[in-house]
Amino acid sequence: DTAVSQTPKYLVTQMGNDKSIKCEQNLGHDTMYWYKQDSKKFLKIMFSYNNKELIINETVPNRFSPKSPDKAHLNLHINSLELGDSAVYFCASGGTGGVGTEAFFGQGTRLTVV
Amino acid sequence: TQLLEQSPQFLSIQEGENLTVYCNSSSVFSSLQWYRQEPGEGPVLLVTVVTGGEVKKLKRLTFQFGDARKDSSLHITAAQPGDTGLYLCAGGEGSSNTGKLIFGQGTTLQVKP
Repeated sequence: DTAVSQTPKYLVTQMGNDKSIKCEQNLGHDTMYWYKQDSKKFLKIMFSYNNKELIINETVPNRFSPKSPDKAHLNLHINSLELGDSAVYFCASGGTGGVGTEAFFGQGTRLTVV
Repeated sequence: TQLLEQSPQFLSIQEGENLTVYCNSSSVFSSLQWYRQEPGEGPVLLVTVVTGGEVKKLKRLTFQFGDARKDSSLHITAAQPGDTGLYLCAGGEGSSNTGKLIFGQGTTLQVKP
């Protein structure tokens, strides 16, 4: 069974469209994250949710809206897509936070905006 | 803002050679993790170090956390082609318990047979 699964794996869309990426984890973790990896492979946190509550919002444009219906799911909706949004988006889950909290990543969604 | 500088960014070596990757910061981290990422996949956790001066070994990989918890190193002995991949260090923020990780830029390792 896949621990952290996200769909779709690839997403090609036109500028201005709205799209969603879904994420589910079966590890029983309380915390879920969205990370963005740019073309230079740099990974940066976007959001963190703990038990459906937003904990971290790293100055991401408000076109990006995460939604957590329950602690096993964290979806990412993006409005009015721009060329600069092209990147690989990773969902991850982890424990309750604290020292040494480890992140378990999904396989990523490669978003290409044309 | 806490930053992690990884070096080198690229490394191409022959099978059997040894190598060290460094991860440095001017900030203190509560923990330091190393991940390995293969093309088309998400990062996979290799190790977590928490205590200053801590050393952990994972087969041919040796991880060290600096005494001041500001830096870390990954040493691979007798590298093999299967070690090829992107190695990422990630620090846990020093003063929070959100689980937020700050990543270095990564080291792309290629081991040639």
